[in-house]
Amino acid sequence: DQQVKQNSPSLSVQEGRISILNCDYTNSMFDYFLWYKKYPAEGPTFLISISSIKDKNEDGRFTVFLNKSAKHLSLHIVPSQPGDSAVYFCAASASGGSNYKLTFGKGTLLTVNP
Amino acid sequence: EAGVTQFPSHSVIEKGQTVTLRCDPISGHDNLYWYRRVMGKEIKFLLHFVKESKQDESGMPNNRFLAERTGGTYSTLKVQPAELEDSGVYFCASSQDRQAVLGYTFGSGTRLTVV
Repeated sequence: DQQVKQNSPSLSVQEGRISILNCDYTNSMFDYFLWYKKYPAEGPTFLISISSIKDKNEDGRFTVFLNKSAKHLSLHIVPSQPGDSAVYFCAASASGGSNYKLTFGKGTLLTVNP
Repeated sequence: EAGVTQFPSHSVIEKGQTVTLRCDPISGHDNLYWYRRVMGKEIKFLLHFVKESKQDESGMPNNRFLAERTGGTYSTLKVQPAELEDSGVYFCASSQDRQAVLGYTFGSGTRLTVV
């Protein structure tokens, strides 16, 4: 029973274009969401997060959008760079992020082609 | 500052054998977490330590898994006896504060293969 779903196993984008990674969740208790980036043979690295009281959070080239009514969030990367090629995991937490436990999706492999 | 260190990076063992994974968290981080990713699946929570105390081990698959954190520093995760379905990448993470909002620091993981 997956509570966080990333339905696209992979995504391929040209350098300079926008990458959009999607994530859906089913648990209404989730109110804090994070994106992690993972390179091969490395652990996940925290990228950006958003609280359910917001609908958008931006950090440089990375923007996360949250649609609570649809239980959907997305990560936009603009412009995409070859170094962005990695697996991106969506994760969710309850209790405003004060809960330590993260529930992850299966990940989306992003490939940015030069 | 040194990151979260895990070893071994890879381990191949036969079904029925015992394996012990080790995690050294970032110095001063009281919170330590174990997660596991089975191939192609999501990363799943296993357990959480605060210092030497287990706060939550609800994600531990069964009693073949034993985690310890003696002295509140490094942690070990022992699998005994190992089964084929235990194969996967075991990640350790640590944080100073027990809030997901801060984003944990993960180690590079231990890839366990049970044959």
